[in-house]
Amino acid sequence: AQTVTQSQPEMSVQEAETVTLSCTYDTSENNYYLFWYKQPPSRQMILVIRQEAYKQQNATENRFSVNFQKAAKSFSLKISDSQLGDTAMYFCAFMKHGTGNQFYFGTGTSLTVIP
Amino acid sequence: NAGVMQNPRHLVRRRGQEARLRCSPMKGHSHVYWYRQLPEEGLKFMVYLQKENIIDESGMPKERFSAEFPKEGPSILRIQQVVRGDSAAYFCASSPPARTSYEQYFGPGTRLTVT
Repeated sequence: AQTVTQSQPEMSVQEAETVTLSCTYDTSENNYYLFWYKQPPSRQMILVIRQEAYKQQNATENRFSVNFQKAAKSFSLKISDSQLGDTAMYFCAFMKHGTGNQFYFGTGTSLTVIP
Repeated sequence: NAGVMQNPRHLVRRRGQEARLRCSPMKGHSHVYWYRQLPEEGLKFMVYLQKENIIDESGMPKERFSAEFPKEGPSILRIQQVVRGDSAAYFCASSPPARTSYEQYFGPGTRLTVT
């Protein structure tokens, strides 16, 4: 079974600063994907970034980047130049490689960007 | 291209009533996944369907819950004799056929409140 753990229920960051959200996971799979999703108050699930486990290079998307440590089963999200619109719940998620597979989500980190 | 549609967005039911939640996948998508988000938690997988077939229902409660994805029309998640513990946000996601599962696109969710 796959488990995803987010140990920071709440975090805050000053606008324009950098913040890192932590995520660890447990799996016996070798091929898989890792994701960070953002859920603003509207509750829409918005994909922030995706990492394929077979890629050693860390994924980046504009102000968002990850630190993927496969051996340690760690997948943290760094948000640079934080903006007020980044305020949301952030969920780390795991998915096995292949078709017809489900997401396994962590319990989330509530991020508040302070003006 | 319209995204994944869910309706209603909000549903209030009294204990013992039935709840029917609808999900229209993105155009061209034939795979549908349902997830449930209890308060203060991440999304949890319930069921994976393809047209006219239930592929994986390992996350569905054994009683009162059922899902279908008919040849024509939306996917339906049905909850019979609702109880207060069914109050949650229910999300569906869809993905194209014959593609890796990570291409799941989420709908806006249906928030079910049981009074």
